[in-house]
Amino acid sequence: KAGVTQTPRYLIKTRGQQVTLSCSPISGHRSVSWYQQTPGQGLQFLFEYFSETQRNKGNFPGRFSGRQFSNSRSEMNVSTLELGDSALYLCASSPRVDTDTQYFGPGTRLTVL
Amino acid sequence: QQQVKQSPQSLIVQKGGISIINCAYENTAFDYFPWYQQFPGKGPALLIAIRPDVSEKKEGRFTISFNKSAKQFSLHIMDSQPGDSATYFCAASTRISSGSARQLTFGSGTQLTVLP
Repeated sequence: KAGVTQTPRYLIKTRGQQVTLSCSPISGHRSVSWYQQTPGQGLQFLFEYFSETQRNKGNFPGRFSGRQFSNSRSEMNVSTLELGDSALYLCASSPRVDTDTQYFGPGTRLTVL
Repeated sequence: QQQVKQSPQSLIVQKGGISIINCAYENTAFDYFPWYQQFPGKGPALLIAIRPDVSEKKEGRFTISFNKSAKQFSLHIMDSQPGDSATYFCAASTRISSGSARQLTFGSGTQLTVLP
């Protein structure tokens, strides 16, 4: 089975712009979670989607949003980018929303200038 | 209460030595404790995990020790190899208040370097 794929792998944006990141989960997995990884804050949970519905949300401002499509692929969007949004954004998938084990993709490295 | 505290921040071990990384938690609702390994340019990968009904779990050179009363758990890497050099994250999972979804909370990570 192919693993979790994320596109693009690298992205450079300027302050005030918006960005959309994409994640394709492992085939058959229906739950997708997003995390932000920074050297200072570590891995922080953004949100989780299952069956096209957001099931859980972390403590991030409303500029961070996401969605999931009927094929379980997910996108996350960050509007009005700030310098502090520079991070590695990781997507993880699991078969169901009540499964503990999550399988991570390689991440999208976002740099905000 | 959702925090998982991890130490040390960085660790240097000689080849063949034992690497020990410690984590502590406060929330007694946590009921699943995985360790993830992350190499540069890659996402975290599940290494080994334990549930609180056992005190130890071993898989090859990797062992989790779990102390429920102290709310602490640790990862031991025996016979450490240069290929083990990576960042290690402990995590803890619990069911969120609404529905059946579960949420992982990660420790801050430990940068392990194994010298040849």
